[in-house]
Amino acid sequence: DVQLVESGGGLVQPGGSLRLSCAASGFTFSNSWMHWVRQTPGKGLVWVSRINSDGSSTNYADSVKGRFTISRDNAKNTLYVQMTSLRAEDTAVYYCARGRFGDYGMDVWGQGTTVTVSS
Amino acid sequence: QSVLTQPPSASGTPGQRVTISCSGSSSNIGSNYVYWYQQLPGTAPKLLIYMNNQRPSGVPDRFSGSKSGTSASLAISGLRSEDEAHYYCTSWDDSLSGWVFGGGTKVTVL
Repeated sequence: DVQLVESGGGLVQPGGSLRLSCAASGFTFSNSWMHWVRQTPGKGLVWVSRINSDGSSTNYADSVKGRFTISRDNAKNTLYVQMTSLRAEDTAVYYCARGRFGDYGMDVWGQGTTVTVSS
Repeated sequence: QSVLTQPPSASGTPGQRVTISCSGSSSNIGSNYVYWYQQLPGTAPKLLIYMNNQRPSGVPDRFSGSKSGTSASLAISGLRSEDEAHYYCTSWDDSLSGWVFGGGTKVTVL
């Protein structure tokens, strides 16, 4: 089965750091563009970042640019996002998602991992 | 404030047709494909429509998408109770160099 499983969420203080992971299985991870998308409780979806299949190209939402870094390890079939200088407004459920045939939509989503930024 | 504009809610009775609009600009919908996602309560989003009007395998043909200029719409015909969910549109934005989402529309089956 095609599957994405996020991990690494938790409670962190404002200004702190956290690294989320997304383990992929059931498909050729090294051929797939990947995304992070977040959702604040009770609110809508917000795209965070994307990375191309070999990791040579990345894009970020303005709200996280300079604070978050997306990366991948194709040998381990794992996607990451390193989050630093965390703010209360970064509190959300973070989903990883696979880009469909490159970057034509996001066709596989993980179950999400929750990040709470609070003192 | 979302870059793409959707109505916050829509409703219909079983069997009816419901349409959800998604309004954008020349830098997103006007020059790129539109995608739609369905999010059932407590679950991750699911791709419903890709490249404006294409359905992934397994998505019923009751769901259809269209695009005209800088707007798009999702239609659900033959509304069923299991269609009660949030629906989101998204598109790539050339000016922002990022994906933008609508605020979501909650569909209620009366």
